[in-house]
Amino acid sequence: DAKTTQPPSMDCAEGRAANLPCNHSTISGNEYVYWYRQIHSQGPQYIIHGLKNNETNEMASLIITEDRKSSTLILPHATLRDTAVYYCIPKGSMGKIIFGKGTRLHILP
Amino acid sequence: SAVISQKPSRDICQRGTSLTIQCQVDSQVTMMFWYRQQPGQSLTLIATANQGSEATYESGFVIDKFPISRPNLTFSTLTVSNMSPEDSSIYLCSVEVPPGGSGGFHNEQFFGPGTRLTVL
Repeated sequence: DAKTTQPPSMDCAEGRAANLPCNHSTISGNEYVYWYRQIHSQGPQYIIHGLKNNETNEMASLIITEDRKSSTLILPHATLRDTAVYYCIPKGSMGKIIFGKGTRLHILP
Repeated sequence: SAVISQKPSRDICQRGTSLTIQCQVDSQVTMMFWYRQQPGQSLTLIATANQGSEATYESGFVIDKFPISRPNLTFSTLTVSNMSPEDSSIYLCSVEVPPGGSGGFHNEQFFGPGTRLTVL
């Protein structure tokens, strides 16, 4: 399984875009990049995933570099409810979700 | 999607006893997973439980300590045996489901709310 590097914590002002980076330089060609988040005292929640094209859904956008060695999760208009730990996880189609340390995102009022 | 429930939601147990945690899913799933989250830490995968076969344990976890049952496609149990205070954690069940009707082509994984275990 590919390893990831994420900043341990980040702050973002409410209403601004939160940009969370992830380095996954050892990602395999068949591994997707998944993003999950864990709000305090809850189970992890799926956000988005992608292979090499940028992706967008109702929660976030995912930007993957052309060499696939890094990606950025974008929360376009962060709210206080987006305060959570965000995990970037490379995963193959038959692979397991293996969590790293993640980024603790604080949304500031 | 999949809705996952776990019982109990929390428990306080004495050292040396065992606790069985139940995981129920609202749909039939092939792959179920058990994770542990120690205080202040990330989630660690304990084992993968497929219906009709023995559970597959990750490095550092053994069947004698964490026996798992998977009697059907909607249910699984994890037992934490001969508990010690170091076993105090949140234990989470997770399932993998095929992509939804939107035409996605990659399985999605959903997580239960967790069982908060405190061992005295």
